[in-house]
Amino acid sequence: EVQLVESGGGLVQPGGSLRLSCAASGFTFTDNWMHWVRQAPGKGLVWVSRVSSDGTGTDYADSLRGRFTISRDNAKNMLFLQMNSLRAEDTAVYYCVRETTRSGNYFDYWGQGTLATVSS
Amino acid sequence: EIVMTQSPATLSVSPGERATLSCRASQSVSSNLAWYQQKPGQAPRLLIYGASTRATGIPARFSGSGSGTEFTLTISSLQSEDFAIYSCQQYNNWPGTFGQGTKVETK
Repeated sequence: EVQLVESGGGLVQPGGSLRLSCAASGFTFTDNWMHWVRQAPGKGLVWVSRVSSDGTGTDYADSLRGRFTISRDNAKNMLFLQMNSLRAEDTAVYYCVRETTRSGNYFDYWGQGTLATVSS
Repeated sequence: EIVMTQSPATLSVSPGERATLSCRASQSVSSNLAWYQQKPGQAPRLLIYGASTRATGIPARFSGSGSGTEFTLTISSLQSEDFAIYSCQQYNNWPGTFGQGTKVETK
């Protein structure tokens, strides 16, 4: 059974940092590109970042480039998101998401999410 | 960036009834559209990809249709476990973008 379990969310002051983690199991982690998608309270889903299966390629939403860094540890089946210079508008549930190996950039498995709250 | 617009925002339906949800793209996305189901406290779940192909384990009461800019998700006979938020996503243009979601609630 595919499982994606996020952790690392919490309350942080504006300008602070958080490091989100995602533990993956139940599949061959190195087969898939992995993503982070977020959802602000009462809002829709928004793509944040992705990392290639071998970890060498990354992409970010334009508005987040320079503040967020995605990475993965394939030896430990872990995905990470380092979030710096956090702002109130970064408050959201962050989902760890697996991209399908089929043709197309859609997401076939999601974690339950971890809530990051940026507030003073 | 392609804007995805879902309607209605909220759909009130009685159990056993049919539910029809719409998703419109600001430009053609061909058939590169997925639907997801979200329930409070649970991981979102892929329902449909390629506009009309059900994901593994998805009941046949869920069906998707459309291409280009107009798409529909139909739930033929709502079960209690189907009350949730449904979101569409286009993945024709990078980055993929989502609609704001339609909440299906009990009438």
